[in-house]
Amino acid sequence: GENVEQHPSTLSVQEGDSAVIKCTYSDSASNYFPWYKQELGKRPQLIIDIRSNVGEKKDQRIAVTLNKTAKHFSLHITETQPEDSAVYFCAASSGFQKLVFGTGTRLLVSP
Amino acid sequence: GAGVSQSPRYKVAKRGQDVALRCDPISGHVSLFWYQQALGQGPEFLTYFQNEAQLDKSGLPSDRFFAERPEGSVSTLKIQRTQQEDSAVYLCASSFNQGRQTYNSPLHFGNGTRLTVT
Repeated sequence: GENVEQHPSTLSVQEGDSAVIKCTYSDSASNYFPWYKQELGKRPQLIIDIRSNVGEKKDQRIAVTLNKTAKHFSLHITETQPEDSAVYFCAASSGFQKLVFGTGTRLLVSP
Repeated sequence: GAGVSQSPRYKVAKRGQDVALRCDPISGHVSLFWYQQALGQGPEFLTYFQNEAQLDKSGLPSDRFFAERPEGSVSTLKIQRTQQEDSAVYLCASSFNQGRQTYNSPLHFGNGTRLTVT
């Protein structure tokens, strides 16, 4: 089955810096790659997603890139703000939306 | 409209007790999923429904776990004879996705039920 690895496990940046989180997946049939943000005690919230027919997608300060050949995808957050502090999860799916999640990255943005 | 609603928000059970966790998906959403999230970990798939049909239950840890969605809307996850290792947050998610498609509808999560087994 699918296996998703995510790193780093923790990431500390200064406000205004960029943050990059990377994930790799094992199943070449995976075709959908969402990213979720989860604040302490709250639900995972979808922040951006990308499908396998696209190499890059951007939404304001957030962008995701996908390299199908290497089977890895990354989340890029520019101009980070303290409210970006949370745990971020990548995930991959090959159908029926049975998402396989990474282990999460705790992002801390210091003012 | 309202998002995915789960109840109770918190549940404390003594080891050996049975528990039932409820999920109200977003109205009109066909697909419903249950995930288990242990402390400090990512959500792990438990089971999936399309309408009332349970199409995948490969993630259920044991036969003590049972899920149903009899009318294709509200779902209940039942855990019998709870054990300490069952302690986790149980997340429900729904989407409009109808079966096998190349286009995936976004998955919307509820706030979860935090189960603590003492």
